[in-house]
Order: sequence, then C-alpha cells, then structure tokens
Amino acid sequence: DGGITQSPKYLFRKEGQNVTLSCEQNLNHDAMYWYRQDPGQGLRLIYYSQIVNDFQKGDIAEGYSVSREKKESFPLTVTSAQKNPTAFYLCASSTGRSYEQYFGPGTRLTVT
Amino acid sequence: GENVEQHPSTLSVQEGDSAVIKCTYSDSASNYFPWYKQELGKGPQLIIDIRSNVGEKKDQRIAVTLNKTAKHFSLHITETQPEDSAVYFCAASIIGNQFYFGTGTSLTVIP
Repeated sequence: DGGITQSPKYLFRKEGQNVTLSCEQNLNHDAMYWYRQDPGQGLRLIYYSQIVNDFQKGDIAEGYSVSREKKESFPLTVTSAQKNPTAFYLCASSTGRSYEQYFGPGTRLTVT
Repeated sequence: GENVEQHPSTLSVQEGDSAVIKCTYSDSASNYFPWYKQELGKGPQLIIDIRSNVGEKKDQRIAVTLNKTAKHFSLHITETQPEDSAVYFCAASIIGNQFYFGTGTSLTVIP
C-alpha cells in the first residue's frame, strides 16, 4: 500500500520546545516538500528536497530545519525560533521530473 | 515570484447545479496548473491538472479550462453532489519547480 505517512496526526508542545514532524514515503519519489497551512490561506512552502542529502529553503523557512538522509524520509523540525508555530503541516512528494505532487494526511501542531 | 489569486473564497450551490472556481496567475512562464480537493482534517488530493499546451481537460463531472493569454484557469464541477463539499485549491508552477497555491475555495453543496 503505497503512500505518504505523517505522524503524529496531532501534536502538542509547550512554547520554547523544538519539535520534529515525521514524513515517510514508499512511492520511490525523489523530491519531497514541506508546506504550512493556516486557516483561510493557501499552502506555503517551507523546505524542499530534490535528492538525498540536499534541500533548499522555501518561502517561509525561518524557524524550521530539515534533513534528508534517506530517500524515504524528510523530517521537519520546528524550532523555538519559529514565532508562530501553531499550524497544519503537510508533507508532499513527487518524482521530481513529473508534474504531480502527492500529499500526506498532515500533522496539526499546537504550541501553547 | 508567481502570484496566484483564487475566487470566490466561499461558494454554495444546490445539489445538481454547477460550480465554477477561478484562478489567475502572474508568471507567464508557468506551464502546469493542478487542482486539489481537501476534506476537513486531511491532506489535499489531486483531482485534475492541465498543462499549458492544452486549453481544456475533462474527467467525468470535472473540467478545467486554461486561457494562457489572459493568464487564468478555472475548475468546473457539473451535477454537484454533497460529497463534492470540500476546500478546493488551485496552483501554478513551472514544471519541475515550486508550486504556488491559491488561497482556497470552500464549496458547500446543499442537498
């Protein structure tokens, strides 16, 4: 059963703590992406990676970090430097050379 | 960078009627335009897409039209059903590059 998994579905953290969101795909896709979604807004790109051990900043990378040690995995760390971390976070993947991006189910992060 | 605007932000239609959502984009180099459907609490799902070398594409009750000259594209849903109720997002990109998303349209189909 191929697809993208994100865990956990809901995550709660105290302000000042770093938190890591998981994203795993078994689609053999080269490229992976992290988006942030806020109410009434479109998806905004945080980071993306087109190959293992390489990644680029998106439009809103400040306060976030990523790693891409394996093709299947692209974890996102929300650091304490992110001023407004409460949001719905979506991971996506694509073959890199094709057009379509496929999304995971998302993680809703609440920081209080 | 690219700027995508989407209208309307909310749309209510009676079951069986048609729904139309419109998007405009700013970068004439964009050549790929997907549409996503997002149900509450879930990730977006690709429902249809169009490339800049065609003007229209249909898939059963869903169609997308593209006007490259005017830089706008639209999603058309015919014979709407309650299960079509969701948030719909358009996006624009240059193939292989970053997607730029619209702000979404919340569609409600009234039984």
